Amino acid sequence: EPEVTQTPSHQVTQMGQEVILRCVPISNHLYFYWYRQILGQKVEFLVSFYNNEISEKSEIFDDQFSVERPDGSNFTLKIRSTKLEDSAMYFCASSEASLRGSPYGYTFGSGTRLTVV
Amino acid sequence: AQSVTQLGSHVSVSEGALVLLRCNYSSSVPPYLFWYVQYPNQGLQLLLKYTTGATLVKGINGFEAEFKKSETSFHLTKPSAHMSDAAEYFCAVTLFGNEKLTFGTGTRLTIIP
Repeated sequence: EPEVTQTPSHQVTQMGQEVILRCVPISNHLYFYWYRQILGQKVEFLVSFYNNEISEKSEIFDDQFSVERPDGSNFTLKIRSTKLEDSAMYFCASSEASLRGSPYGYTFGSGTRLTVV
Repeated sequence: AQSVTQLGSHVSVSEGALVLLRCNYSSSVPPYLFWYVQYPNQGLQLLLKYTTGATLVKGINGFEAEFKKSETSFHLTKPSAHMSDAAEYFCAVTLFGNEKLTFGTGTRLTIIP
């Protein structure tokens, strides 16, 4: 069964450093997303990406965050200057169609646990 | 704005017993509703979703959920729990024209042998 692959599974970074979280969506999917889950809290939407541009973003997704699909297969989330409060599990997801049009909803990756120290 | 509330952060049931996980939504327009399951160290897997049409939705692994507009609920049920059902379950909502999911806080299901 096709999977969304996220690397690394766990990343530790120092406060103020830049970090890039990597995702390989399912190959024929067109919609891409990042979510995060701070320990003990809800899974929160960060950003959706379609047709090589951001289609929607949350208030969390400020200027410190950016996304890119650099080569047609990877989908990355960059945090420019990490803060302690960025520590969370970050989930990538992809979908073949819009959320309402896909019978499968999103396919989520297993997540990257980011720890900022 | 849309939101979901999951009642009970932890639910324990005996193997073979009925599973009932509660989800209530708040939405100003008809919502689309989802249940996801997360097994340890894995991603979120779609169990089932409701968009339009039949209000009783059947999903994978024997789970089903019923959309009740009058009660603003979308509770998840399974007639007979299995040990492999132990996981965290998330209810989520989105609205037409919106690509983001809004998740509940999750319910951790424990199965007692």
